[in-house]
Amino acid sequence: DTGVSQNPRHKITKRGQNVTFRCDPISEHNRLYWYRQTLGQGPEFLTYFQNEAQLEKSRLLSDRFSAERPKGSFSTLEIQRTEQGDSAMYLCASGGLSLGTDTQYFGPGTRLTVL
Amino acid sequence: GDSVTQMEGPVTLSEEAFLTINCTYTATGYPSLFWYVQYPGEGLQLLLKATKADDKGSNKGFEATYRKETTSFHLEKGSVQVSDSAVYFCALSAFSGGYNKLIFGAGTRLAVHP
Repeated sequence: DTGVSQNPRHKITKRGQNVTFRCDPISEHNRLYWYRQTLGQGPEFLTYFQNEAQLEKSRLLSDRFSAERPKGSFSTLEIQRTEQGDSAMYLCASGGLSLGTDTQYFGPGTRLTVL
Repeated sequence: GDSVTQMEGPVTLSEEAFLTINCTYTATGYPSLFWYVQYPGEGLQLLLKATKADDKGSNKGFEATYRKETTSFHLEKGSVQVSDSAVYFCALSAFSGGYNKLIFGAGTRLAVHP
């Protein structure tokens, strides 16, 4: 079990640029989640995938944000035209196969800084 | 909506002291409850969980009991170590529409001094 991995670990960008983050979940997990964590706060849910289908998106996910999971394995989160308010830690989590299995395992996160 | 409230930090303790971090929740239905720990610069690690009333989750000397009557899930440890210094998050998970999402408290920072 190699755990959830995320790349890059850190990203510094200028306002207005596009950024893309990658998440590789635990291999047998079909559920994948993205969360955002701002300084001093707990993570907040952004979006959920079951296999390749994106089944839920939070109102926090503005139209500048898009997430994909093309083959039901890794996922990408893209932010277009970044704003300083997008600076945060972006966390990916994955979960097991069965309904009722609700434990989520988190990756190390990608810390985004928008200058 | 569902929510989690944790005691504010920081909590500062001497090594070998007793730890309690309070957590209460508001939820419809019967959520699972979790404690996650976050060390500096890292993601969240699952510490323990409980899935129904009166369940006790435990791991690495930490314990928490799911109390439905008081809607609480307080974290305790009998003797803390310097290595326990981290931020602790209480969370609930409730199924809706065939999937679950976690709702977190704001976190409680613990600092343990030698």
